[in-house]
Amino acid sequence: GAVVSQHPSWVICKSGTSVKIECRSLDFQATTMFWYRQFPKQSLMLMATSNEGSKATYEQGVEKDKFLINHASLTLSTLTVTSAHPEDSSFYICSARALLSPTEREQFFGPGTRLTVL
Amino acid sequence: DAKTTQPPSMDCAEGRAANLPCNHSTISGNEYVYWYRQIHSQGPQYIIHGLKNNETNEMASLIITEDRKSSTLILPHATLRDTAVYYCIVRGVGTYKYIFGTGTRLKVLA
Repeated sequence: GAVVSQHPSWVICKSGTSVKIECRSLDFQATTMFWYRQFPKQSLMLMATSNEGSKATYEQGVEKDKFLINHASLTLSTLTVTSAHPEDSSFYICSARALLSPTEREQFFGPGTRLTVL
Repeated sequence: DAKTTQPPSMDCAEGRAANLPCNHSTISGNEYVYWYRQIHSQGPQYIIHGLKNNETNEMASLIITEDRKSSTLILPHATLRDTAVYYCIVRGVGTYKYIFGTGTRLKVLA
């Protein structure tokens, strides 16, 4: 089946630094990738929709200058948390939409990246 | 996007069927219902999805009411490994976005 990977699986950084998280579709092409954030004991919150070759669409309340998203190829999207602060500490999850019909499963989720900002 | 409502938590005895309900009363005619589950600190795992008809796969069954305003996910023989948070999602038309609700925390008891 289709696999989505994320790298790194966890990262610890100092306040004020930037952190890049990669999301890759390993065996399929993904025209659209989605980025989610999840705080402890809460549900996943959609941050943005990333389409290959175009600017990402951010959900209301998500700072686009804070969370930079790049989707340069059909198999790779990156999320960069700029000038990270402790309140950015969270579990970041990506998903990739495969080019399948609506009757088939469409999105495949990565395993998540745990970010801790000290 | 249609919203979903699920009970916050449920318990189920090991080996028994787990029936997880979901209300999606504002669903549109061409919106699909998806079920995912999330085990602690992992990415969501796909379970099943459907439009109108009941669906079954190796993991679960999905029962959608005739008016499509609600659905039930059935795990026929729950095991301890099925302990997780289960999310019912209605996929947005044209956007393919998933809006996660609060989900149901299922605890399977030995």
